Amino acid sequence: AQKVTQAQTEISVVEKEDVTLDCVYETRDTTYYLFWYKQPPSGELVFLIRRNSFDEQNEISGRYSWNFQKSTSSFNFTITASQVVDSAVYFCALSETNTGNQFYFGTGTSLTVIP
Amino acid sequence: KAGVTQTPRYLIKTRGQQVTLSCSPISGHRSVSWYQQTPGQGLQFLFEYFSETQRNKGNFPGRFSGRQFSNSRSEMNVSTLELGDSALYLCASKGDPPGNTEAFFGQGTRLTVV
Repeated sequence: AQKVTQAQTEISVVEKEDVTLDCVYETRDTTYYLFWYKQPPSGELVFLIRRNSFDEQNEISGRYSWNFQKSTSSFNFTITASQVVDSAVYFCALSETNTGNQFYFGTGTSLTVIP
Repeated sequence: KAGVTQTPRYLIKTRGQQVTLSCSPISGHRSVSWYQQTPGQGLQFLFEYFSETQRNKGNFPGRFSGRQFSNSRSEMNVSTLELGDSALYLCASKGDPPGNTEAFFGQGTRLTVV
């Protein structure tokens, strides 16, 4: 069963617009970890943010912010004032304590920022 | 601090051949995981090695194998290559303890099977 769902396949925004990427997850673990990664054309997955299941405080880090809601099993990611360099594929991932370091990835959202 | 290094970056092989990919994790990291990325299946977990032992394995056939050396460097081997094995293979390096730290990925090895 797919554990991470990213319903948005592709998103296009004009530079300086805000954009939110959606992520819904499924797990039976009470302790788990959620991540967002960015994959530019070079292929490397770049870590962006991490959230623990026992910490629902939402934060802002520069132009990035996230909204973690356990009640709806969602972990949405927002880029404020988007820039062309933000164009990439973004992946949401889940790590469960009972499966160690294995990541379950969503199918990714391709973001294009138009200048 | 050096990142995760994967070699080679690109590889072209013929069906039926075998291939070995290499991954050097971040210094001090003992966990190395491998993922296969294809347009159709997305990112799928292959296996994880920790201190030279396979700790977890994904749902891949036995043609896919790996190992880890005492310096934490890891190799992944695919035997009897099939066209469907064409993919980007990503290696992830992770520190301790398990679960609550992010993984750092290499740039991947793009394997093309012809």
